[in-house]
Amino acid sequence: EADIYQTPRYLVIGTGKKITLECSQTMGHDKMYWYQQDPGMELHLIHYSYGVNSTEKGDLSSESTVSRIRTEHFPLTLESARPSHTSQYLCASSEGTELETQYFGPGTRLLVL
Amino acid sequence: KNQVEQSPQSLIILEGKNCTLQCNYTVSPFSNLRWYKQDTGRGPVSLTIMTFSENTKSNGRYTATLDADTKQSSLHITASQLSDSASYICVVSDRGSTLGRLYFGRGTQLTVWP
Repeated sequence: EADIYQTPRYLVIGTGKKITLECSQTMGHDKMYWYQQDPGMELHLIHYSYGVNSTEKGDLSSESTVSRIRTEHFPLTLESARPSHTSQYLCASSEGTELETQYFGPGTRLLVL
Repeated sequence: KNQVEQSPQSLIILEGKNCTLQCNYTVSPFSNLRWYKQDTGRGPVSLTIMTFSENTKSNGRYTATLDADTKQSSLHITASQLSDSASYICVVSDRGSTLGRLYFGRGTQLTVWP
């Protein structure tokens, strides 16, 4: 079982609200990722970080932002939630070696009304 | 265009039976291929990783094969159990480490019935 945690696990929120999805890992991994996954669809990378103060946008355009102030913490923020943001958000981390395995958190299921 | 295609989209088998899931990819240049298991409502968990030179990799009742020439991989599950019910995702990396990116398939949803 990987030591990577996400909170909340489920969130129902109204349009226009600001939300922050938390992700933390205790493995000391430098690389962390945020993915978005809709039911029956593939994972899409929306943000990643190679270390403290390093953040990059992924392949899927996203209105969310991330920060990496501490190695173990990689929160994702939506300034103004919309129904189109309804999805599952998965956080992952990896060691950064060539055959790196990404360890995933349990995910946050977000429903924006 | 780099893609990962999985088949079948869904599969139902009886407990104790074997099954094989398929993954075809067009990712190039190829670095490695992984199979993940994702239980409902959970994050994916790695089952196997194979590089270009590896033809097969086992993890308990799970055996993955790779044919880098035809760009095909399979995941064989032996003596299925109810706990095998999950989505199985094929992931291909185009390079290792910092320069690499991952291409995800949509997964095969496996249901094991008693």
